[in-house]
Amino acid sequence: NAGVTQTPKFQVLKTGQSMTLQCAQDMNHNSMYWYRQDPGMGLRLIYYSASEGTTDKGEVPNGYNVSRLNKREFSLRLESAAPSQTSVYFCASSVRDRGPGTQYFGPGTRLLVL
Amino acid sequence: QKEVEQDPGPLSVPEGAIVSLNCTYSNSAFQYFMWYRQYSRKGPELLMYTYSSGNKEDGRFTAQVDKSSKYISLFIRDSQPSDSATYLCAIYTGANSKLTFGKGITLSVRP
Repeated sequence: NAGVTQTPKFQVLKTGQSMTLQCAQDMNHNSMYWYRQDPGMGLRLIYYSASEGTTDKGEVPNGYNVSRLNKREFSLRLESAAPSQTSVYFCASSVRDRGPGTQYFGPGTRLLVL
Repeated sequence: QKEVEQDPGPLSVPEGAIVSLNCTYSNSAFQYFMWYRQYSRKGPELLMYTYSSGNKEDGRFTAQVDKSSKYISLFIRDSQPSDSATYLCAIYTGANSKLTFGKGITLSVRP
């Protein structure tokens, strides 16, 4: 049981390049989330997916798109990367019967946009 | 006003000290309060959660909620170097299991 996995672990992009961050969970969780974490800003929600087939914006969605490919996978796409998107990105998943607010996080993707 | 505020620290204490970490929140309707712990270069993991008011204890850790003052606290007794991490408070807002996190405080326990 791997939990939540994220790829890649680290990426360097040039301004204007695009990339997709991948996330998968093997816990059969319904809900999945993408966060970014910046120094002094804490964890901020970018997008979430309450269930397969649905996605909704979080606090900081601009410049990102998401796809809930199936119940296991939730990807985050940067269409035209900007230096302001330099951050650590975390994917998380949850299921209600584990208790409200119990989210399981992946190890993170460190993104540097030059 | 942000939904949850947390002093950013950092905080450095000697081994064995009692540590108190605090957050305030804005909406009195919130019922579930969490503490997540994040080791360096890792993802956060749930440490404890409390429902409504009162205390919850787990070993050396105690989570406390004071709803009258909208204050949530995490106490660590007999702190150990292995407790060195970033601690994030979080509030369950009740919609789609979404959480709102504080900014996190980095704790360093010196041997």
